[in-house]
Amino acid sequence: EPEVTQTPSHQVTQMGQEVILRCVPISNHLYFYWYRQILGQKVEFLVSFYNNEISEKSEIFDDQFSVERPDGSNFTLKIRSTKLEDSAMYFCASGRQGGETQYFGPGTRLLVL
Amino acid sequence: SQQGEEDPQALSIQEGENATMNCSYKTSINNLQWYRQNSGRGLVHLILIRSNEREKHSGRLRVTLDTSKKSSSLLITASRAADTASYFCATDASGGFKTIFGAGTRLFVKA
Repeated sequence: EPEVTQTPSHQVTQMGQEVILRCVPISNHLYFYWYRQILGQKVEFLVSFYNNEISEKSEIFDDQFSVERPDGSNFTLKIRSTKLEDSAMYFCASGRQGGETQYFGPGTRLLVL
Repeated sequence: SQQGEEDPQALSIQEGENATMNCSYKTSINNLQWYRQNSGRGLVHLILIRSNEREKHSGRLRVTLDTSKKSSSLLITASRAADTASYFCATDASGGFKTIFGAGTRLFVKA
């Protein structure tokens, strides 16, 4: 069964460094999402992406964040200058249609020191 | 902004008992979804109920939706130890472009 994959599974970085989190959505899906979950807290929406552009973004998704679909398969989240409070689990999700079932990847655990 | 809030925050039951979790939200929705998350892992979609539906079943899961009260409930019947996980409701009102998750209910099923 197709699934969403994410790399790396864990990333440790120094404050101020750039990180790129990678996701491979399910191949025939058209809607892509990034979420984050700070340890012990709820899943927070970051951004949605459809038709090669951002559809919606949350207040968390400021100028330090960007997303890209560089080719037909990858979907990336870049954090330009990481802060301590960016430490969290980042989940990618994809779906065939907006508002329908989203399929989540296993997540990337980011630790900013 | 809309927000799903689940209650209880935590629930501990014996295997074989039923577990009921509730979710409330604030704004109009197109649909409401329930997801499950095992500790530290990704979310798994359980069931979607549309705003014009009142009840939906899937195996041991039963979901209800009351749009007049802006609330939903998830019932897991005949629970098993393997049902131990966190359960989140999620709402969408922007045509699928923004999904808001509640804080979740942590369910612990004792064998």
